[in-house]
Amino acid sequence: AQSVTQLDSQVPVFEEAPVELRCNYSSSVSVYLFWYVQYPNQGLQLLLKYLSGSTLVKGINGFEAEFNKSQTSFHLRKPSVHISDTAEYFCAVRGGNTPLVFGKGTRLSVIA
Amino acid sequence: DSGVTQTPKHLITATGQRVTLRCSPRSGDLSVYWYQQSLDQGLQFLIQYYNGEERAKGNILERFSAQQFPDLHSELNLSSLELGDSALYFCASSEQGTPGSPLHFGNGTRLTVT
Repeated sequence: AQSVTQLDSQVPVFEEAPVELRCNYSSSVSVYLFWYVQYPNQGLQLLLKYLSGSTLVKGINGFEAEFNKSQTSFHLRKPSVHISDTAEYFCAVRGGNTPLVFGKGTRLSVIA
Repeated sequence: DSGVTQTPKHLITATGQRVTLRCSPRSGDLSVYWYQQSLDQGLQFLIQYYNGEERAKGNILERFSAQQFPDLHSELNLSSLELGDSALYFCASSEQGTPGSPLHFGNGTRLTVT
């Protein structure tokens, strides 16, 4: 079975500063990795995904993530955040025939 | 807009009652998933259907059931409701049921049991 740990439940950051949201996963099989964003009163929106190939994955809204197999990590980064990036971010993993498993989420608060 | 439609948006009901949540997947998507989101449990997978057939089952209570109809829309039935069933219920769909197919989520149904 797969599991996901998002190491920070809340991350405050000033506008235009860089941010990294950390995600570690556990799996005994090859995995596919995803980051989703949830804005208030909305559903989850796919930010980016890693299926195979290049370990650096670029997504929407200027976000990117790097897959590190040896460290079983898939951290999300953005070089300069905006107020509009304030939201809940979820890391998720799927492997084999198992369903998509989500982490507990990280609340990103961008401060003006 | 993800293309996944969930109705109703809000539902308030009493303990012991039964409710039905409805989901229409994105056009062309064959697989439908149901998730429950609560503050203490986070996002929990309930069940997956693919082209009308149950594909995978998660932490779904026996009081809960679901089905996917020939037109691919899905319904989640929750019965003998308890206070602890209050949560946000999401439906998601994907083109295939394969692990690499990203899920597209609806905006959820917020269920409040009083």
